[in-house]
Amino acid sequence: DIQMTQSPSTLSASVGDRVTITCRASQSISSWLAWYQQHLGKAPKLLIYKSSSLDSGVPSRFSGSGSGTEFTLTISSLQPDDFATYYCQQYESYSTFGQGTKVEIK
Amino acid sequence: EVQLVQSGAEVKKPGESLKISCKVSGFSFTSYWIGWVRQMPGKGLEWMGIIYPGDSDTRYSPSFQGQVTISADKSISTAYLQWSSLKASDTAMYYCARHVGDVVVPSAMSHWGQGTLVTVSS
Repeated sequence: DIQMTQSPSTLSASVGDRVTITCRASQSISSWLAWYQQHLGKAPKLLIYKSSSLDSGVPSRFSGSGSGTEFTLTISSLQPDDFATYYCQQYESYSTFGQGTKVEIK
Repeated sequence: EVQLVQSGAEVKKPGESLKISCKVSGFSFTSYWIGWVRQMPGKGLEWMGIIYPGDSDTRYSPSFQGQVTISADKSISTAYLQWSSLKASDTAMYYCARHVGDVVVPSAMSHWGQGTLVTVSS
């Protein structure tokens, strides 16, 4: 199984901050990586697929990069609705999610 | 508008069987993979498996193979997740979701149901 490790597990930030979340794969997954946002009690929402492709309707302050084993999700200027938990997902071999990164208010 | 509407919350006893559903609309059911994702209380997301309703091709995560069955009924545009004998550890929120229109399988999931909470308790 391909393991996905996100860091940090929790991130404290303020509105307007630039935020970066990292996701590392236990083996190369090329660019087969997606990022999701989940608010408490809600279904996940796709933000990024194929490492850097923004899903339809997702604000441009979200961006993704990386290939192989290391990936990042960046929020250029954190907005109030961005306080949530973020998950990466690999889909190179079967599919697995990272453990999540909670972005909380500083 | 793409919609995935899941069946309501369930409370079951250990050993009972269960089948939950995901009815889709707004797109061709037979042209997209549909997946199931588990989220145990206070925990992260776990990919369970996917089905292509067009030909019923089904892929399971090794962690869930043999533990659940994924199926689909093309005539009513509905996907299913079922258990033959529930355990307390099956208590979780279960989401269905549709793949993006990628050719790669599995893929990212662009549209999600609202979730079905399954509680298994004696």
